[in-house]
Amino acid sequence: QKEVEQNSGPLSVPEGAIASLNCTYSDRVSQSFFWYRQYSGKSPELIMSIYSNGDKEDGRFTAQLNKASQYVSLLIRDSQPSDSATYLCAVKDYQLIWGAGTKLIIKP
Amino acid sequence: DGGITQSPKYLFRKEGQNVTLSCEQNLNHDAMYWYRQDPGQGLRLIYYSQIVNDFQKGDIAEGYSVSREKKESFPLTVTSAQKNPTAFYLCASSLDGGLTGNTIYFGEGSWLTVV
Repeated sequence: QKEVEQNSGPLSVPEGAIASLNCTYSDRVSQSFFWYRQYSGKSPELIMSIYSNGDKEDGRFTAQLNKASQYVSLLIRDSQPSDSATYLCAVKDYQLIWGAGTKLIIKP
Repeated sequence: DGGITQSPKYLFRKEGQNVTLSCEQNLNHDAMYWYRQDPGQGLRLIYYSQIVNDFQKGDIAEGYSVSREKKESFPLTVTSAQKNPTAFYLCASSLDGGLTGNTIYFGEGSWLTVV
């Protein structure tokens, strides 16, 4: 059974600090990795995709992928209250497997 | 604007009733998907379609049915055989459903409640 694991949280981070979200996956052949943000009662929206080992930066967001250790992480710099949401990790080889999400709370 | 439109946003179903959720996309995507999300849970795949007139069961297809007669449309019917249908239903699409890392995009979702 292929799995994607995330800490359900909530993860509480002060405004302006760095939020670090982690995701581990079981399938070594996974090729594509995605982070989605989901506000309460809304649909998920893509934040980042990453395909190769290392870091990928987009504004305040950085995705980090380590295929050898089978984890992918998302860093949010200068956290804002509007970043408070559930963050879903998704991993794909021939099908997309979703984690249950980590709830992030940014405290003003 | 290109996107995925789901309707209705809120739907109430009586016991023993079939209901159909609509999903239309104008992104010219080949692949379309239906997911179910229960409160505090991740996404579970109900059905997916990689091409018109073809679709495959996902992890929780029992009690659901779909059709893909047009590229743009992928309606989901929640049948009376689905005993616990109260959930948030998400329609999604991607350029293709193959091994490439094509991103999945979501509609706004439909809330289904059994009354």
